[in-house]
Amino acid sequence: QQQVKQSPQSLIVQKGGISIINCAYENTAFDYFPWYQQFPGKGPALLIAIRPDVSEKKEGRFTISFNKSAKQFSLHIMDSQPGDSATYFCAASLYNQGGKLIFGQGTELSVKP
Amino acid sequence: ETGVTQTPRHLVMGMTNKKSLKCEQHLGHNAMYWYKQSAKKPLELMFVYSLEERVENNSVPSRFSPECPNSSHLFLHLHTLQPEDSALYLCASSQASLAGGEGELFFGEGSRLTVL
Repeated sequence: QQQVKQSPQSLIVQKGGISIINCAYENTAFDYFPWYQQFPGKGPALLIAIRPDVSEKKEGRFTISFNKSAKQFSLHIMDSQPGDSATYFCAASLYNQGGKLIFGQGTELSVKP
Repeated sequence: ETGVTQTPRHLVMGMTNKKSLKCEQHLGHNAMYWYKQSAKKPLELMFVYSLEERVENNSVPSRFSPECPNSSHLFLHLHTLQPEDSALYLCASSQASLAGGEGELFFGEGSRLTVL
């Protein structure tokens, strides 16, 4: 199966709160899991990515948690800011085919001041 | 110009028209992609060109015809489209490597297509 399922579809968080977005995949051959961020009127841009040899990767306020046995991964945004308001997409692919991404449906995040 | 640029940004066409979308990347990458973004649906990979050779055609209807004349330019030729083809069409590029690698995608801002 090639699907990547993402939840929730939309998320409202207060400034300073933690935003959590979850994704689940089916194909156990996938070994590259990026998150892309898209602002209105712009194309998606890579935010952070992880490979399954680690369970967590942190870059600033953004953390990916990865659970290989459950075939799930999540994005945590700490100290969420209004400027983080955007649509977030999880994705998966084979590492040697990193551009051929299977995307989740997207989560529209709104951070209220 | 920097990054990935797409023209036109907006296009309205009738079902019998023929039009083309253009993409140009200024990043020196060797792989280019067309993705389709519809509301409330995942981005869908349509075509992949690596080193100017089409390496992926993801069961896309023949009314969409890609062209990659060189590693910097990518076109999507459109003809006899249907209203359900209305979407944002995103072009992306990456640096493909025979050794593998993440191949981070760099997207353009997209061409918003409306088919009447």
